[in-house]
Amino acid sequence: DAKTTQPPSMDCAEGRAANLPCNHSTISGNEYVYWYRQIHSQGPQYIIHGLKNNETNEMASLIITEDRKSSTLILPHATLRDTAVYYCIVRVRPPQGGSEKLVFGKGTKLTVNP
Amino acid sequence: DTAVSQTPKYLVTQMGNDKSIKCEQNLGHDTMYWYKQDSKKFLKIMFSYNNKELIINETVPNRFSPKSPDKAHLNLHINSLELGDSAVYFCASTWTSGGNYEQYFGPGTRLTVT
Repeated sequence: DAKTTQPPSMDCAEGRAANLPCNHSTISGNEYVYWYRQIHSQGPQYIIHGLKNNETNEMASLIITEDRKSSTLILPHATLRDTAVYYCIVRVRPPQGGSEKLVFGKGTKLTVNP
Repeated sequence: DTAVSQTPKYLVTQMGNDKSIKCEQNLGHDTMYWYKQDSKKFLKIMFSYNNKELIINETVPNRFSPKSPDKAHLNLHINSLELGDSAVYFCASTWTSGGNYEQYFGPGTRLTVT
């Protein structure tokens, strides 16, 4: 079962920031928070990940609370192409040569409106 | 320059038939996966191979048999297809010997069993 809780849907106006929350109250000290998104009918796409520090890349920013029990994915200037299902996933990094599985929850359906 | 490719994109077949889906990645990754996304959009891992060795097998019926001829390919063969096998199947790959462990997904294969 997924170890995260996300709102089922959110709306955002084009050009505005989209803030997607995620609760992971049972996260362990060695578990990372990963975000993926799935645009309609496409394969999931990696967005960003973090352990305890805030992270930023060309796609988004990830804000993790100090107690690590929740996080927020921020799309700073949402476009229509950002309409997708966003998945928040917590997982442990496997040892070298090992494997791991992503456990997807239901995600948040983000709709960016013109 | 497709990173993870799958063939075919669509597959329509009748119950009882045997079919295969092929996956190839040109990223030099050492681990490949098969995921299944059902009609309710839940995305679940089925198998994982690391360096051609089966690592993860998630209670999948033995009608499903993955085969990894080399690190760049992971094929999925399904025997005696059933209606419940109708879904979108995604292949993914990652590099577990360093890096972010982000998984790259293929475009999916939509299997319809009639």
